[in-house]
Amino acid sequence: EAGVTQSPTHLIKTRGQQATLRCSPISGHTSVYWYQQALGLGLQFLLWYDEGEERNRGNFPPRFSGRQFPNYSSELNVNALELEDSALYLCASSHGPGTSGIYNEQFFGPGTRLTVL
Amino acid sequence: AQSVAQPEDQVNVAEGNPLTVKCTYSVSGNPYLFWYVQYPNRGLQFLLKYITGDNLVKGSYGFEAEFNKSQTSFHLKKPSALVSDSALYFCAVRDMYQAGTALIFGKGTTLSVSS
Repeated sequence: EAGVTQSPTHLIKTRGQQATLRCSPISGHTSVYWYQQALGLGLQFLLWYDEGEERNRGNFPPRFSGRQFPNYSSELNVNALELEDSALYLCASSHGPGTSGIYNEQFFGPGTRLTVL
Repeated sequence: AQSVAQPEDQVNVAEGNPLTVKCTYSVSGNPYLFWYVQYPNRGLQFLLKYITGDNLVKGSYGFEAEFNKSQTSFHLKKPSALVSDSALYFCAVRDMYQAGTALIFGKGTTLSVSS
């Protein structure tokens, strides 16, 4: 079974530009989560999508946005990039919330390393 | 508000010795607890989870974790460490009454196993 895939592996942008990161979940998973792993800050929750809808977002400004497509893949967009956006962005997938979904572990992709110069 | 604390930035053990990586949590309801491991330049790998039932949970690669409700802890343990266990370990929690939230992670503990 293929795992969670993310592209690109590395992305280099300059301040003020926009970045687009992509994620494909494990087959059968409807939920996609995005996390930011910045140096010294640990893993911080960004966004959660399920069945094409944004279900929740973390404490990040609106320039962090995304969407989920009908095939459950997802895109994270970061507008007006700032130096502090440099981080590893991790995508995870799981079965949807449902009646037992809250029990479900999340499976993570390898991440996209975003560097803002 | 939910939170997770991993009080040690780094844990050093010798190969063959037992290891413990500590985690404490705070949630308003009953917790669902998870441990993940991250190897360099890789994503996170799921190790184990506690939902309900036995306080001792067994997971992948010989790891286990002990849930202690009175101490609000969920420490990760392994009886005999391997050099290949050296990695970054994350504890995470989800509150059963906060279905709309994702996992809340601790800041991570770097485990270093020396030969």
